[in-house]
Amino acid sequence: DVKVTQSSRYLVKRTGEKVFLECVQDMDHENMFWYRQDPGLGLRLIYFSYDVKMKEKGDIPEGYSVSREKKERFSLILESASTNQTSMYLCASSLDSGGAGFTDTQYFGPGTRLTVL
Amino acid sequence: GQQVMQIPQYQHVQEGEDFTTYCNSSTTLSNIQWYKQRPGGHPVFLIQLVKSGEVKKQKRLTFQFGEAKKNSSLHITATQTTDVGTYFCAGWTSGTYKYIFGTGTRLKVLA
Repeated sequence: DVKVTQSSRYLVKRTGEKVFLECVQDMDHENMFWYRQDPGLGLRLIYFSYDVKMKEKGDIPEGYSVSREKKERFSLILESASTNQTSMYLCASSLDSGGAGFTDTQYFGPGTRLTVL
Repeated sequence: GQQVMQIPQYQHVQEGEDFTTYCNSSTTLSNIQWYKQRPGGHPVFLIQLVKSGEVKKQKRLTFQFGEAKKNSSLHITATQTTDVGTYFCAGWTSGTYKYIFGTGTRLKVLA
């Protein structure tokens, strides 16, 4: 079974702090994703990566950056946390079956509930 | 912008009743995937549909992808309390390669 782990289930930070959210997958997947989930808004894609050191902006990248130095690890960085970044953050990974775009199933981690005070 | 709306937003049913959620995209999708998220959990993949007009079944669940590849539905026959959760559709937009989740339908099953 694919396992996607996230560094924390719950995190409380103060406005202006730099926040790192870590995600690790153990199935050698090429693609990794970061979403935030808010009530009434569903899941929104922040960034994704299709290879080491490669990244693409999703729908809501403002205020976030990402890092992928190793294939199994994808980090989401909040450079200066703000209260409107209080949310549930979900990481996902998928295999790249090649030639089909990003059509493969995404496997999600348990999520990190971040509160910014 | 590109959107994927799901209706209804909430649905309460008596156990044994049927349930349907509809997913409508503002743009053509190259595929559609359905996920279930239990309360307090994370989305778990259910199924993927790729072909126009495709219909797939998983026990009591029936999934359909529209002919124009802009809408989809999930139908649950004779709901059970274990069906409780939020059901999301998601898909990659054709050409622009945006992965968009639907707004979700929260299902509550009353015993």
